[in-house]
Amino acid sequence: NAGVTQTPKFQVLKTGQSMTLQCAQDMNHEYMSWYRQDPGMGLRLIHYSVGAGITDQGEVPNGYNVSRSTTEDFPLRLLSAAPSQTSVYFCASSGIGTVTGNPTGELFFGEGSRLTVL
Amino acid sequence: DAKTTQPPSMDCAEGRAANLPCNHSTISGNEYVYWYRQIHSQGPQYIIHGLKNNETNEMASLIITEDRKSSTLILPHATLRDTAVYYCIVRVLGNAGNMLTFGGGTRLMVKP
Repeated sequence: NAGVTQTPKFQVLKTGQSMTLQCAQDMNHEYMSWYRQDPGMGLRLIHYSVGAGITDQGEVPNGYNVSRSTTEDFPLRLLSAAPSQTSVYFCASSGIGTVTGNPTGELFFGEGSRLTVL
Repeated sequence: DAKTTQPPSMDCAEGRAANLPCNHSTISGNEYVYWYRQIHSQGPQYIIHGLKNNETNEMASLIITEDRKSSTLILPHATLRDTAVYYCIVRVLGNAGNMLTFGGGTRLMVKP
């Protein structure tokens, strides 16, 4: 069981380039989200999804796009990379409690994608 | 979601209990307390959560005060591998529109 898989693990971009960070989970989780973590800081929510076809903005969505065409995948697109987007990006997923029918709040995180924008 | 306050850093001797406090004085009745940790630069790891009763699992114990305004995460026998940043988070269970909000956390250093 792979859990949450992120690719690539490392990436260097030039200002203005675009790219997509991939995230896949094999736990059939409804909820997926993207966070960024700057050096010495906590995690900040970029975008999240509560199911296929449904996405919404988090705390710091500017400069990023997401889509959720399948339950398994939740890619994060950087449209025109800027040095301020140099960060570590984490994807997370969570499921629904079998008793409550509500999100459990137990997030499973990927290992992170380290992005440097020059 | 209620805001939380944690000390920025703590030390603990290996083999001793690590007690990590968290203040959440504005917590509302339907908000749960969650604890996560992040070891070095890995993805955060879920530890435990609770509403008002004390909780225990294989990793830790969570003690929530009767008024629910504060809580303590207890690692009963800390090891060097428990050195990490520990995050206390308060959120409404089932609030799909508001995923977990991570603050600064407590950096726990377990020393030999």
